[in-house]
Amino acid sequence: QLQLQESGPGLVKPSETLSLTCTVSGGSISTTTYNWGWIRQPPGKGLEWIGTISYSGSTYYHPSLKSRVTISIDTSKNQFSLRVSSVTAADTAVYYCARLTAMLTRWFDPWGQGTLVTVSS
Amino acid sequence: DIQMTQSPSSLSAFVGDRVTITCRASQSISTYLNWYQQKPGKAPKLLIYGASSLQSGVPSRFSGSGSGTDFTLTITNLQPEDFATYYCQREGTFGQGTKVAIK
Repeated sequence: QLQLQESGPGLVKPSETLSLTCTVSGGSISTTTYNWGWIRQPPGKGLEWIGTISYSGSTYYHPSLKSRVTISIDTSKNQFSLRVSSVTAADTAVYYCARLTAMLTRWFDPWGQGTLVTVSS
Repeated sequence: DIQMTQSPSSLSAFVGDRVTITCRASQSISTYLNWYQQKPGKAPKLLIYGASSLQSGVPSRFSGSGSGTDFTLTITNLQPEDFATYYCQREGTFGQGTKVAIK
């Protein structure tokens, strides 16, 4: 059974870079059937897609975050990562990683449990 | 960019009720629409993909319909464990969510 687990600092200072890693277990990240994505949820608010990466490294980012976001993949470690630069309090959120089917319907399943990142000095 | 608009934003219902949530796309998306359930403190869970296909393990009281721009998630015989927030999604766009509360 495929599982995803987010890891990284829970507290980041304003203007610094948020870095998270998603470790995939129970299956290979090197597949053309699926892509891999990051989604976040500010406290008490809805879901916001951040970006997606394929096993070959092709990336797709939310237009409003594109200038600050980098997603990378390490197939040797079965991991993919998120970096968000120049963070502010508005980047405080629970960050989820998830598998995204590469078919036209493009659904996210499964999801990691999520990790809360707080931006504060 | 495609916008997804859910309605209502919240509703209250009794156990045993039939509940309907609507999602409207700003342009036609065929049947490329998915539904998720999220409980407090938990990750979203896929319920329906491709507008009407039930994800494995999801109870049959959940159903989805629609195509083009208008979609519906229906829960028949609402159970206590169904009180949650529901989101529709098309690619990188989520609806704003519908919170289903106990009446």
